[in-house]
Amino acid sequence: QKEVEQDPGPLSVPEGAIVSLNCTYSNSAFQYFMWYRQYSRKGPELLMYTYSSGNKEDGRFTAQVDKSSKYISLFIRDSQPSDSATYLCAMSEGSGGSNYKLTFGKGTLLTVNP
Amino acid sequence: DAGITQSPRHKVTETGTPVTLRCHQTENHRYMYWYRQDPGHGLRLIHYSYGVKDTDKGEVSDGYSVSRSKTEDFLLTLESATSSQTSVYFCAANRDSGQPQHFGDGTRLSIL
Repeated sequence: QKEVEQDPGPLSVPEGAIVSLNCTYSNSAFQYFMWYRQYSRKGPELLMYTYSSGNKEDGRFTAQVDKSSKYISLFIRDSQPSDSATYLCAMSEGSGGSNYKLTFGKGTLLTVNP
Repeated sequence: DAGITQSPRHKVTETGTPVTLRCHQTENHRYMYWYRQDPGHGLRLIHYSYGVKDTDKGEVSDGYSVSRSKTEDFLLTLESATSSQTSVYFCAANRDSGQPQHFGDGTRLSIL
């Protein structure tokens, strides 16, 4: 079993839809969870950053972490064509020592159709 | 803007030649990283640095070396490039461990 699993999609939705993106993981030591957005031929751009379990909201984006289920989600409300990108989940065990290394999912390709 | 610049942005070279990629950051980040991104594999860590002259290997370090003589610059060298090293290379940096990493826009490297 890979450390981080992410459905690669592709996922295609109409404009205005609610999008749900998910990752599961196996390492119970992960404490920091991130979502990155990557446009074609660009570097990953940080969208959301959360520590431990719970929800975090930023505009149209909500990140959820359920450590008991080893499951994280990113919700996009009122999706726009400009949200079309690949979304990467990433996580790390924490700060200090060698625990800052990130483990990435392989990314989900999202297309929002006008 | 994460203040991370990679150069060159594109490079085509031949098998067996040495190649050096440069990452420059302006935010005084302590930690810097080199990743490669390939279809079906996602982002994989090659090498990382936790300070000037302090570097260590990632999960796919064979065939690569790095150097960091100044806080702002992190160099990735392919001593003798092979076709399997054709990839998109990303540099990332963060100020402290536990903080999110910020990425440059990548170098697209083709080895013929």
